[in-house]
Amino acid sequence: DVKVTQSSRYLVKRTGEKVFLECVQDMDHENMFWYRQDPGLGLRLIYFSYDVKMKEKGDIPEGYSVSREKKERFSLILESASTNQTSMYLCASGIVGEQYFGPGTRLTVT
Amino acid sequence: GQQLNQSPQSMFIQEGEDVSMNCTSSSIFNTWLWYKQEPGEGPVLLIALYKAGELTSNGRLTAQFGITRKDSFLNISASIPSDVGIYFCAGQDFGNEKLTFGTGTRLTIIP
Repeated sequence: DVKVTQSSRYLVKRTGEKVFLECVQDMDHENMFWYRQDPGLGLRLIYFSYDVKMKEKGDIPEGYSVSREKKERFSLILESASTNQTSMYLCASGIVGEQYFGPGTRLTVT
Repeated sequence: GQQLNQSPQSMFIQEGEDVSMNCTSSSIFNTWLWYKQEPGEGPVLLIALYKAGELTSNGRLTAQFGITRKDSFLNISASIPSDVGIYFCAGQDFGNEKLTFGTGTRLTIIP
């Protein structure tokens, strides 16, 4: 079974803090993705990576950056957290045609 | 970004009933995926479809890749309480690693 793990299930941070969300997959997938999910807006792609050190912007990259130093690990960074970044963050990994999601991180920025 | 049209938006059914939902797109996809998401959890991949006309089952779930390549259908037979959740479709273009997601169908089972 594919396993995608995320470093925290729940996180509370203050406005202006730098926030790191970590994602690890154990299936040697080339592709990894970061999404945020908000009521009424569905799943929106923030960034994705198709190889180590490679990254591509998704639909809503503003305010975020990513890092992929190893194939199995993909990090999402909020440089200076803001209240409008309060959301459910979902990491996924996959091959062509399939994506497997982690359990999600519920981030609250106060 | 684009979202696929998924219907119905919500369903209230009794345990034991069959469920049908569908997903439509204005453009062609090469892959259709169906996910289920429970509250506070990430989506779980249920079924993947790769060929127009393909019919694939996973236990009580059956999904079909529409002939036009612009739609897909998911059926759940003899629903049980643990089927409760939000079901999402997703489509993928050839050569594009990104998915386009549906708006979701929320399934509630009435006791």
